[in-house]
Amino acid sequence: DAGVTQSPTHLIKTRGQHVTLRCSPISGHKSVSWYQQVLGQGPQFIFQYYEKEERGRGNFPDRFSARQFPNYSSELNVNALLLGDSALYLCASSLYGSSEKLFFGSGTQLSVL
Amino acid sequence: KQEVTQIPAALSVPEGENLVLNCSFTDSAIYNLQWFRQDPGKGLTSLLLIQSSQREQTSGRLNASLDKSSGRSTLYIAASQPGDSATYLCAVDYTGTASKLTFGTGTRLQVTL
Repeated sequence: DAGVTQSPTHLIKTRGQHVTLRCSPISGHKSVSWYQQVLGQGPQFIFQYYEKEERGRGNFPDRFSARQFPNYSSELNVNALLLGDSALYLCASSLYGSSEKLFFGSGTQLSVL
Repeated sequence: KQEVTQIPAALSVPEGENLVLNCSFTDSAIYNLQWFRQDPGKGLTSLLLIQSSQREQTSGRLNASLDKSSGRSTLYIAASQPGDSATYLCAVDYTGTASKLTFGTGTRLQVTL
């Protein structure tokens, strides 16, 4: 079975632009979460979606938004990009969004110039 | 504030040595604690998950322990190998939703020949 897949793997944008990152969870997993990892730091929670509903939101500005589709795939959107948005964006999935293992994708490396 | 701390930040050991990585957390009201491995520029791989009611988990050469009362977890790696070189992250689930994990900043391990 395929793991969590993310696209694209790398992305270069300029300040002020908009970006959309995509994630497909493991087949059968209904919960998808997004994390931002700045170089040298641990991942920071951005969003969790379960059954297409937002279940949790981290301490990120409204420029960050996400959604989950009926097939449980997800998109993370970031508007008005800032230099500080440069990071590795990780998607993770789990079966039920309860106290269980989390499976991560390989991430999208976003560079904002 | 719920914080997770990992010490040391970096560690270099010769092949074959047994080693211990440490993780401490400020709030003992946790659902579970996970240990992850991350290779440079890659996503996270879940190594071990310890539920709050458990004291330890084992997988191959890895053993993780949990002491909620003292706010500590350790990851023990036996007979280290060069392939174990990576960054090891611990993450605490305070919400029971398999998401919104609070991560430490990681321990970067180098196993030398």
